[in-house]
Amino acid sequence: QSALTQPASVSGSPGQSITISCTGTSSDVGAYKYVSWYQQHPGKAPKLMIYDVSYRPSGVSDRFSGSKSGNTASLTISGLQAEDEADYYCCSYTRSDTPYVFGTGTTVTVL
Amino acid sequence: QVQLVQSGAEVKKPGASVKVSCKTSGFPFTTHYIHWVRQAPGQGLEWVGQIFPSNGATFFAQKFRGRVTMTRDTSTSTIYLDLSSLRSDDTAIYYCAREGWYGGPTKHFDFWAQGTLVTVSS
Repeated sequence: QSALTQPASVSGSPGQSITISCTGTSSDVGAYKYVSWYQQHPGKAPKLMIYDVSYRPSGVSDRFSGSKSGNTASLTISGLQAEDEADYYCCSYTRSDTPYVFGTGTTVTVL
Repeated sequence: QVQLVQSGAEVKKPGASVKVSCKTSGFPFTTHYIHWVRQAPGQGLEWVGQIFPSNGATFFAQKFRGRVTMTRDTSTSTIYLDLSSLRSDDTAIYYCAREGWYGGPTKHFDFWAQGTLVTVSS
């Protein structure tokens, strides 16, 4: 099972919107609604930001939103803030014999 | 409040085994899958496996089968990860994480522990 493909880095100025893509296959992202996104600051544990493609857990800012089209999921951060600077990982449930696969990770830089 | 707290850092020699613990609190121990995810230095996240504390049922990523064991102690609400035949590329931070439960498993990880660094070096 190969990792889902994410851009290595995405950057934006404060207040702007950015979108991170997460490309998989018809056996993972394209097959299920079970796509989640995690934010990880340096030296910290990952934090759930989006689940089931587009749902936000309680306490997560509504500046974070998720969507999916075909085999590609996306995370959009609107009104970019300095605190959003972190690594972001997507994750999908899969049909393979390893049921969860993560993305390659994207470093978000706030210019 | 929901908490997952892991044991401290470990240094092991190649070929040895390591056992990492994950003590849970703040939620019913038997109703949430607990997963292990690892992250090699400077690398991404990798799913290792899962355990259902209610009955101890486990399932592992294909690449770890035969080398990994997950167990639980219901008296202390603690999950254990055992990884044997350690290699240098097993050097990583190992995280335990809770899977959400809304009438059934949710397929996402809603709470994470702080992580345990396992270093494999001769």
